[in-house]
Amino acid sequence: KAGVTQTPRYLIKTRGQQVTLSCSPISGHRSVSWYQQTPGQGLQFLFEYFSETQRNKGNFPGRFSGRQFSNSRSEMNVSTLELGDSALYLCASSLGAGSALEQYFGPGTRLTVT
Amino acid sequence: AQSVAQPEDQVNVAEGNPLTVKCTYSVSGNPYLFWYVQYPNRGLQFLLKYITGDNLVKGSYGFEAEFNKSQTSFHLKKPSALVSDSALYFCAVRDSRGSARQLTFGSGTQLTVLP
Repeated sequence: KAGVTQTPRYLIKTRGQQVTLSCSPISGHRSVSWYQQTPGQGLQFLFEYFSETQRNKGNFPGRFSGRQFSNSRSEMNVSTLELGDSALYLCASSLGAGSALEQYFGPGTRLTVT
Repeated sequence: AQSVAQPEDQVNVAEGNPLTVKCTYSVSGNPYLFWYVQYPNRGLQFLLKYITGDNLVKGSYGFEAEFNKSQTSFHLKKPSALVSDSALYFCAVRDSRGSARQLTFGSGTQLTVLP
């Protein structure tokens, strides 16, 4: 079974631009979560989607948004990019919305904002 | 609120020796605990989890973890370390109660296994 895929793998953007990142979960997985990973802040939760509904949201500004499609694929968007948005963005999928379920991570998208 | 602490930023161990990576947690309900490993330029890989039952949980690649409720700990262990185990290890927790369903991760521990 194919793992979680994320596109693109690397991205360079300029301050003020916007960016869209894509995530395809493992086949059959219906829950998708997004995380931001930086050396200073570590792994921080952005949001979680299940059945096209946002179930949970982390403590990030409104510039960060996401959505999930009927095939469980998900996208996240960051508008008005800032230098501090440079990070590895990780997507994770799980079978369902249960708290005991483990998540499976994609390789991440490395975003650099200049 | 839920939280996780990994008190050691770096752990060095000689190949063939046992290894331990420490993790303590704080939740209001019962904890669901997870260990993940991250290799350079890769995403996180799931190693094992504790939900309920036996305090000793066995996972992938020979790793195991011991849940200790009184000490609120969930240390990762392996009887004999390999050089290929060198990576960044993350402990994570979810509270079984409350509205915060997201995984909260520790700050990570860099494990280096010396040949």
